[in-house]
Amino acid sequence: GESVGLHLPTLSVQEGDNSIINCAYSNSASDYFIWYKQESGKGPQFIIDIRSNMDKRQGQRVTVLLNKTVKHLSLQIAATQPGDSAVYFCAETFNDYKLSFGAGTTVTVRA
Amino acid sequence: EPEVTQTPSHQVTQMGQEVILRCVPISNHLYFYWYRQILGQKVEFLVSFYNNEISEKSEIFDDQFSVERPDGSNFTLKIRSTKLEDSAMYFCASGQGLDTQYFGPGTRLTVL
Repeated sequence: GESVGLHLPTLSVQEGDNSIINCAYSNSASDYFIWYKQESGKGPQFIIDIRSNMDKRQGQRVTVLLNKTVKHLSLQIAATQPGDSAVYFCAETFNDYKLSFGAGTTVTVRA
Repeated sequence: EPEVTQTPSHQVTQMGQEVILRCVPISNHLYFYWYRQILGQKVEFLVSFYNNEISEKSEIFDDQFSVERPDGSNFTLKIRSTKLEDSAMYFCASGQGLDTQYFGPGTRLTVL
């Protein structure tokens, strides 16, 4: 499953499928972006980050894509697992002191 | 793996009372932050702290709020006179440099 284009608050995905979560950021001066995962009752957990001088970065089962032209960030999760169910936030900063968080996407993995 | 810890996990207080939320950042980190999250909403920046002084603060962080690093390990957020609208999850975060911020599990503050 994927949410393409506009940010969607929820995403339901079949276990084993790939997920794409989108985020539109607001500040064209932002130069550092982070994806966080937040499980119920817990704090945001770092997943992956990317600087504005890159357009793609890969981690373990996750890939972040950055399109500065349209101020768009996406997180791709390969082979989604039940443990991936959580709320995913993108965050941006231009001075590194202050993170500005997006609204979040709730991902639900169907067995 | 080192992590940020916060105490208490849940704090209930009466309106007008002072509360102190405590955080132990990751030991070799130099940058410290407080954020809050009202139920169902996004995480909001409150304040950043480096070299024993505030680096930046948001509009939310008014005169009722203060931060302190009283010793080499703790980082505290004090709310002098709590209001109902201060009810939220408060997250502490720390970073080694001006990049990735690692978050604690949060303190749920309930103001009655």
